[in-house]
Amino acid sequence: EVQLVESGGVVVQPGGSLRLSCAASGFTFDDYTMHWVRQAPGKGLEWVSLISWDGGSTNYADSVKGRFTISRDNSKNSLYLQMNSLRTEDTALYYCAKDKGSGVADTCLDYWGQGTLVTVSS
Amino acid sequence: QSVLTQPTSVSGAPGQRVTISCTGSSSNIGAGYDVHWYQQLPGTAPKLLMYGNSNRPSGVPDRFSGSKSGTSASLAITGLQAEDEADYYCQSYDSRLSGYVFGTGTKVTVL
Repeated sequence: EVQLVESGGVVVQPGGSLRLSCAASGFTFDDYTMHWVRQAPGKGLEWVSLISWDGGSTNYADSVKGRFTISRDNSKNSLYLQMNSLRTEDTALYYCAKDKGSGVADTCLDYWGQGTLVTVSS
Repeated sequence: QSVLTQPTSVSGAPGQRVTISCTGSSSNIGAGYDVHWYQQLPGTAPKLLMYGNSNRPSGVPDRFSGSKSGTSASLAITGLQAEDEADYYCQSYDSRLSGYVFGTGTKVTVL
């Protein structure tokens, strides 16, 4: 059974930093591209970032480019999101999601975690 | 601001058919990229409902169907059931943004 468990969400002040983690199990982690998707309270889904199976390719939404960094450790079956220069508009539930394949475009997300809540507030 | 537009809400009585549209542009759906659909039940994570425009993952009832034409796509639910009450999102890839995009989301209400 595929499982994705996010952690690291807390309350942080504007301008602060945070690192989210996602522990994966139930599939061959290093065969798949992985994503972060966020959902602000009461709002829709927003794709944040992806990383290819080997970490060689990454991509970001314009709203987080230059502030967030995605990474993975295939030896630990783990995905990460380093979030710097946080803004109030980054407040959201952050989901870790598995790609259906190993590409970096034109694919879908077939398994999702339950999310971890990041609140940016003074 | 999403580049894929969906109706805010649709509703129908049990047993009826409802459709949800997803309108994009020449840099995403119109460029030939696939459309995928997700169902988000209240208080839960999204779940893949349809992939590659019209393919259902294992376990998804055949009451759900998808189609794509030009710069738009649609999700149809036939024989609407109370358990279908949820938010639905379309998703594709956008070449101008070089990233994935989600639709604005549609709330389905079963009357």
